Amino acid sequence: DAGVIQSPRHEVTEMGQEVTLRCKPISGHDYLFWYRQTMMRGLELLIYFNNNVPIDDSGMPEDRFSAKMPNASFSTLKIQPSEPRDSAVYFCASRSGPPQDTEAFFGQGTRLTVV
Amino acid sequence: AQKITQTQPGMFVQEKEAVTLDCTYDTSDQSYGLFWYKQPSSGEMIFLIYQGSYDEQNATEGRYSLNFQKARKSANLVISASQLGDSAMYFCAMRCPNAGNMLTFGGGTRLMVKP
Repeated sequence: DAGVIQSPRHEVTEMGQEVTLRCKPISGHDYLFWYRQTMMRGLELLIYFNNNVPIDDSGMPEDRFSAKMPNASFSTLKIQPSEPRDSAVYFCASRSGPPQDTEAFFGQGTRLTVV
Repeated sequence: AQKITQTQPGMFVQEKEAVTLDCTYDTSDQSYGLFWYKQPSSGEMIFLIYQGSYDEQNATEGRYSLNFQKARKSANLVISASQLGDSAMYFCAMRCPNAGNMLTFGGGTRLMVKP
């Protein structure tokens, strides 16, 4: 398996533009997580899905952020409109559920810069 | 609420020596899992070791071991025979099945191995 795949690896965009981050979880994993990492706030959970259903989106900063998981092999995190304070590394992670209950495997991350 | 605390923002260790990275946690759940991840300068998150709350023995994985002291709510990572490639950020994380099953991360410790 290729692991969790995120795209793009780097994204530079202008303030006000829409940004879409993509994630392909490991096949067979039931859970998918979106995290944001910044120097100031560390690793924050934004939202997670179980079997494609959003379970907890309390970490989503505001309405400008939205996430979808249309099927078991694909998820998106969208920011519209983007702002400079959204600049961060965004990680997608996946893991299997019970009884395997594995550790979470992370993608390489998307480094987003909003100028 | 779950909380993970890593009190050492940065640490130095001499190559070939052992080092302990501290992690304390807070949860009211009886069942939980504790994880350590390594994040090198390249940015990816690499799973190192896992300890379940009901595991009676401390987890070990090669040069990594987890010093689990349940009564003290601590889960320190011990790296034996440090190597230059161990220089990285290290994150402690916790997962509680009764609290959403997502990983909550500590703030991280930057380890620097001196030659």
